Amino acid sequence: DAKTTQPNSMESNEEEPVHLPCNHSTISGTDYIHWYRQLPSQGPEYVIHGLTSNVNNRMASLAIAEDRKSSTLILHRATLRDAAVYYCTTGANSKLTFGKGITLSVRP
Amino acid sequence: GAGVSQSPRYKVAKRGRDVALRCDSISGHVTLYWYRQTLGQGSEVLTYSQSDAQRDKSGRPSGRFSAERPERSVSTLKIQRTEQGDSAVYLCASSPNRDSEAFFGQGTRLTVV
Repeated sequence: DAKTTQPNSMESNEEEPVHLPCNHSTISGTDYIHWYRQLPSQGPEYVIHGLTSNVNNRMASLAIAEDRKSSTLILHRATLRDAAVYYCTTGANSKLTFGKGITLSVRP
Repeated sequence: GAGVSQSPRYKVAKRGRDVALRCDSISGHVTLYWYRQTLGQGSEVLTYSQSDAQRDKSGRPSGRFSAERPERSVSTLKIQRTEQGDSAVYLCASSPNRDSEAFFGQGTRLTVV
């Protein structure tokens, strides 16, 4: 399984864009990049996933480096409800493992 | 619609006893996963199944863990001879197929005393 590294935490102001980085230098050619987030006392929630091309959905955008060794989750306008732990992981669902993730704090 | 539901939400077990945790997944989802999440250490997948009524014994971290799937949308994670190190949140997730997004339940917090 490809290992991912993320900063421990990040702070953002409400209504400003947030860029959450993730390194996955050992990713294999067929592994998807997944992002999930988790609020306290809840299970992880799917955010977005991609393989090679940048991806957009209603929650966020995913920018994938050309060499696929890193990616960035982009929240275009952070809200207080976006405060959570964000996990970057790679591989098939059957092998998803979440590390410590990055704790995002959003200041009003 | 109904999401993934886990029961009980909280479970306290005496060390050495067996426990069973239930997951009701989303109807129509083929793949079902069990994860263990510990504070500050992230989550690891314990077992997963990709077919109906499959008894999967991925058995991480040891053979004490097993999952049964008596119905397509129901799974039971069984932990034999619980140890204090088994104290964690156990998460169940399901997905339409192995490459689709996974939908998680709220988890069962197990405390072994």
